[in-house]
Formats: sequence, C-alpha cells, structure tokens
Amino acid sequence: DVKVTQSSRYLVKRTGEKVFLECVQDMDHENMFWYRQDPGLGLRLIYFSYDVKMKEKGDIPEGYSVSREKKERFSLILESASTNQTSMYLCASSLSGGLSDRWPQHFGDGTRLSIL
Amino acid sequence: RKEVEQDPGPFNVPEGATVAFNCTYSNSASQSFFWYRQDCRKEPKLLMSVYSSGNEDGRFTAQLNRASQYISLLIRDSKLSDSATYLCVVTAYNTDKLIFGTGTRLQVFP
Repeated sequence: DVKVTQSSRYLVKRTGEKVFLECVQDMDHENMFWYRQDPGLGLRLIYFSYDVKMKEKGDIPEGYSVSREKKERFSLILESASTNQTSMYLCASSLSGGLSDRWPQHFGDGTRLSIL
Repeated sequence: RKEVEQDPGPFNVPEGATVAFNCTYSNSASQSFFWYRQDCRKEPKLLMSVYSSGNEDGRFTAQLNRASQYISLLIRDSKLSDSATYLCVVTAYNTDKLIFGTGTRLQVFP
C-alpha cells in the first residue's frame, strides 16, 4: 500500500515565522504535489514536482516555495507566514504519465496549520 | 467560471435511496476524469475513474458526457457509510495535474 506521510497533523505558528511542512512517500513516485483545502474553495494546487530538483507553480504559489532534494521527500515552505495561510495542507504523490486510474494520486493525512 | 463545478449539497437521503451527482467541466481538452471520496477530516481517496463508455463498480455507476462536458456519479441502495463528500476531478490536458471540484456532500440517514 502506498504511504504518504506528512510530518504533523496539527501545527500552530505565528505571523512572520518561516514554516516548513514535510511530506514523504514510500512508493518511488515521480510526482509530488502540495494542495491547500479551504471551505467552499476545494483543493487548490500550490506547487508540484515531476522529479528531484524539479518544481512547477500551481494555481496559488504566492507566499510559498518548495524543495525536492530527494525523490521521496517534498517540502512546502511558508517564507513568512500570514494569517490567510491558515488552512488544511495536503500532500499527494503519483507515478508519472498518470492519465489513468492505474496511477491515482495518493494523499497524506493532511496538516491543519493555524497562523496566529 | 470555475474549471470544475459541482453542487455543494448537502444531499440528505434515507438508507436504500438512489442518489445522483453531476459535475461540469470547462476545458473540452480534458482527458481523464475521476470521482474521489473525502470523509470528514480525512484525505481524499480515489473512488473510481470515469470512462467514456460509462462504468460500474458495485452500487456505484459513473458516466461521462463529452459533448455536454459533464460527468455523473450514481449511488444505488445508499448506506450510512456512503456519507462523505464526493469530489469531481479532471486532469488537465497532457499533464498529471488534477483539477478538483469543491465537492458534493452526501448525508445518508437511517
């Protein structure tokens, strides 16, 4: 079974702090994704990565950066946290070329981040 | 216009009822279509893919209408355990990116 592990279920930080969210997958997937989920807005893609050291902006990259130094790990960084970044953050991974149900995205449990 | 649109619900139905959700998508070049299920405070999980010819998995039937750009999910003989949010998902053309709808909430009552 695919396992996508996010470092924290709940996290509370202060405005202006640099925040790191970590995600690790154990299935040698090429693709990794970071989303945020907010009521009424659904899942929105922040950044994704097709390979080590590769990254592409999603729909809402402002205020975030990412790092993928190893294939199994994809980190999301909030450079200077703000209250509007309070949200549920979900990491996912998939095999590449996944235009079919054979390669769905597998999600981690999510990190509920609160910025005070 | 949102790329993927769903009625947020909630749909409140009794056990044993049949319920159907629709979802519309705006990009005619979309290639792959899925329904994901998300339980409260849990991560989304793939429920089923949606094929052009329509497909069935037990009590669940998914259909795709490319001409009208919508997909549907039919649940027969609803169970209490079907209570969840159902997310309509579309892939962007020639990419592994998924575009999610905001979800339709289903509540099945005894």
